[in-house]
Amino acid sequence: DIVMTQSPDSLAVSLGERATINCKSSQSVLSSSNIKSYLAWYQQKPGQPPKVLIYWASTRESGVPDRFSGSGSGTDFTLTISSLQAEDVAVYYCQQYYSTPYTFGQGTKVEIK
Amino acid sequence: QVQLQESGPGLAKPSQTLSLTCTVSGASISSGNYYWSWIRQPPGKGLEWIGYIYYSGSTYYNPSLKSRAAISVDTSKNQFSLNLRSVTAADTAVYYCARGPVTTGFSWFDPWGQGTLVTVSS
Repeated sequence: DIVMTQSPDSLAVSLGERATINCKSSQSVLSSSNIKSYLAWYQQKPGQPPKVLIYWASTRESGVPDRFSGSGSGTDFTLTISSLQAEDVAVYYCQQYYSTPYTFGQGTKVEIK
Repeated sequence: QVQLQESGPGLAKPSQTLSLTCTVSGASISSGNYYWSWIRQPPGKGLEWIGYIYYSGSTYYNPSLKSRAAISVDTSKNQFSLNLRSVTAADTAVYYCARGPVTTGFSWFDPWGQGTLVTVSS
């Protein structure tokens, strides 16, 4: 199985400041055939299901604010919230879909400082 | 707009079988464009993919479930179901159904149902 490890487990950021979440996979999730990384990011607010924000490591889902961006390739990935808003308080998960079983990171809780 | 809704008992007894159903609206399971998955989340913990089914009935499961999971589909009702046998307290979780992956097998899960909490307790 591909193990996904996120860091940090939690972070507190002031409103309007940048939040950065890292995700590392135990093996590369980059396909040599299409040069795409099979990595998604989700946001989960309390009492709600996860909602996809980013796929193919850097493609923003329709309707997702452009303050959310994804970067990285291979085994190291980053989700950045450029200017944290109150509604961004949530737990964020990365997920690889390169191989089965599909696996998720342990989650990163983002709070307001 | 595709929507998924889980249903089933909120309580299961140890050693018995947990059974849940996911009803899909706004899309046909039989369209053949997607697999349909179950994912769970123990209280306060992370996400675990359980497995998926195709409208034809073909399935794939996470080996971590040690063959306890069985997913079935009823295309006439646009539903798919999860049976998890020999449950223990460790199976207490919010169970989500979700669309995905696409039929190439390589995609994210979207959308998700609201989830249903199943507690395993005598």
